[in-house]
Amino acid sequence: QKEVEQNSGPLSVPEGAIASLNCTYSDRVSQSFFWYRQYSGKSPELIMSIYSNGDKEDGRFTAQLNKASQYVSLLIRDSQPSDSATYLCAVDSSGGYQKVTFGTGTKLQVIP
Amino acid sequence: IAGITQAPTSQILAAGRRMTLRCTQDMRHNAMYWYRQDLGLGLRLIHYSNTAGTTGKGEVPDGYSVSRANTDDFPLTLASAVPSQTSVYFCASSDSGQGTDTQYFGPGTRLTVL
Repeated sequence: QKEVEQNSGPLSVPEGAIASLNCTYSDRVSQSFFWYRQYSGKSPELIMSIYSNGDKEDGRFTAQLNKASQYVSLLIRDSQPSDSATYLCAVDSSGGYQKVTFGTGTKLQVIP
Repeated sequence: IAGITQAPTSQILAAGRRMTLRCTQDMRHNAMYWYRQDLGLGLRLIHYSNTAGTTGKGEVPDGYSVSRANTDDFPLTLASAVPSQTSVYFCASSDSGQGTDTQYFGPGTRLTVL
């Protein structure tokens, strides 16, 4: 069983719509959760981190965490073509020095 | 400030050859990491270092070795390359290596082993 699971997509949304990206994880002791964006041929870059249950908003991005359901999501409001990329969910369960496990990513396509 | 640099950008290598991928960061981060990224498998940790002088094995360490002689450099060596090591390799660093840290990634090295 994969430790961090994501739907590979592609997820296609029209420009201006809300894109919803989902991630489940298997390790109940996981404490830190990250969303990275990776453009084709480029390296991952962090867009959101979340550590507590609930929502965390940063501009057009909202991360949602539900530890009881072992579920973390990323909402992108007012999606733009420039948001088209692969979004990687990452989970740290080390409790000490970082040991991050990445999901395989969801490819998002925003259609103009 | 360059952040993290990796060299070479890409390389085609004959099987059995030795290869060192270079990684340098100028952020004075304590922790550094090497990942490989393969289609359908995502990013997998090869080796890591929480501080200069220490290294540890990740999820897929076989066939790879690392060293951390100083804070800035974290080279990855393939002693005898095999075709299954064809991949994109990313070096990353984080400030303290603690669980809440952000990891910053280098631009990657695309390696093809024939």
